[in-house]
Amino acid sequence: EAQVTQNPRYLITVTGKKLTVTCSQNMNHEYMSWYRQDPGLGLRQIYYSMNVEVTDKGDVPEGYKVSRKEKRNFPLILESPSPNQTSLYFCASSPGRFSGNTIYFGEGSWLTVV
Amino acid sequence: GNSVTQMEGPVTLSEEAFLTINCTYTATGYPSLFWYVQYPGEGLQLLLKATKADDKGSNKGFEATYRKETTSFHLEKGSVQVSDSAVYFCALRGLTGGGNKLTFGTGTQLKVEL
Repeated sequence: EAQVTQNPRYLITVTGKKLTVTCSQNMNHEYMSWYRQDPGLGLRQIYYSMNVEVTDKGDVPEGYKVSRKEKRNFPLILESPSPNQTSLYFCASSPGRFSGNTIYFGEGSWLTVV
Repeated sequence: GNSVTQMEGPVTLSEEAFLTINCTYTATGYPSLFWYVQYPGEGLQLLLKATKADDKGSNKGFEATYRKETTSFHLEKGSVQVSDSAVYFCALRGLTGGGNKLTFGTGTQLKVEL
């Protein structure tokens, strides 16, 4: 089954404790991205990757890091989480950057930073 | 830059009522337009899309027509069911930065009652 898988789905952590949210897709997609969803703001892009070893900032990259060492994986790293990073996070992938290509989303990771 | 404006919710309807959720956009060039749905506790699923002007996307009884002259992509369904209760996001993907990222509206919550 074609899917984007994220882990963990739910996490409560403390300020400053490094964490990683993993993302994996089995569709051989070139394009991967992370979004965060906040009430009243919709979804906003954090980082994206056009291919292995190619990553770039989205609209709200502060406080986050990513890496793309393999085509299927795109982990999101919070080096020193803060309460304003409490949010619902989505990993996404797409065959390429053509605007008509559908972007597929994972089920989301609820992150609470206390 | 690109932007999407959709009607505020929540929208509450009785079962079998007609649904319209308005969506308008601002974009350079010729974006593709999408509706995504988020059921309670779940991730984002593609509902329908249209990639060029006058295209009509349809799925599960929902329809939306890409109107370039009015820069709109309104979502409609003739007879809603309780199972349609969810949050609906209008989005566009165009020739922008972010690897041609999706730009989302803020979402419209739909509640359907018996």
